[in-house]
Amino acid sequence: SQQGEEDPQALSIQEGENATMNCSYKTSINNLQWYRQNSGRGLVHLILIRSNEREKHSGRLRVTLDTSKKSSSLLITASRAADTASYFCATQTSGSRLTFGEGTQLTVNP
Amino acid sequence: DAMVIQNPRYQVTQFGKPVTLSCSQTLNHNVMYWYQQKSSQAPKLLFHYYDKDFNNEADTPDNFQSRRPNTSFCFLDIRSPGLGDAAMYLCATSSALTSVYEQYFGPGTRLTVT
Repeated sequence: SQQGEEDPQALSIQEGENATMNCSYKTSINNLQWYRQNSGRGLVHLILIRSNEREKHSGRLRVTLDTSKKSSSLLITASRAADTASYFCATQTSGSRLTFGEGTQLTVNP
Repeated sequence: DAMVIQNPRYQVTQFGKPVTLSCSQTLNHNVMYWYQQKSSQAPKLLFHYYDKDFNNEADTPDNFQSRRPNTSFCFLDIRSPGLGDAAMYLCATSSALTSVYEQYFGPGTRLTVT
């Protein structure tokens, strides 16, 4: 079964608003990564947070990790229509495999 | 620019007719992955190569095979495609220089089975 579960499954907001997506996982991890996928395209790596980190920023992205709750959140601030995409969390436990969550479909309305 | 390339972008095959999807990379990464992604679902790892070592996922059907003739190229062979194999197939790479496996994806090949 998939390691990660994400909520919400779908999120629709207005341009300029913030978007928050959550990811939960089941086992201990080495790191957690967030990816973005535009419709019909490959995934693009956004940000990585290691198991010993609690928060990370990259531009308009903010990721938090709570290993005690086995959860992470991705915050996109001041959203733009171009942020419309599916967002996936992925966990790395050991070795070279990632396990992806089911994703959140974000729609940013102009 | 260094990248992951997948050809073709769209592939139509007939039920039961073997098909091969290709992936190449200019990143010189030693790990290459193949994922299957169906509509509105998470990518599902089929197998991956760590250098020449092939790692098959336990639930990957025998119908799916892979070849990696050199560092740059990796192929996905579907021996007898069924209607249920219609999906997006994603190739990805990562470097094993550190223990952190950030993956770089190609644009995908959309497979249609008629």
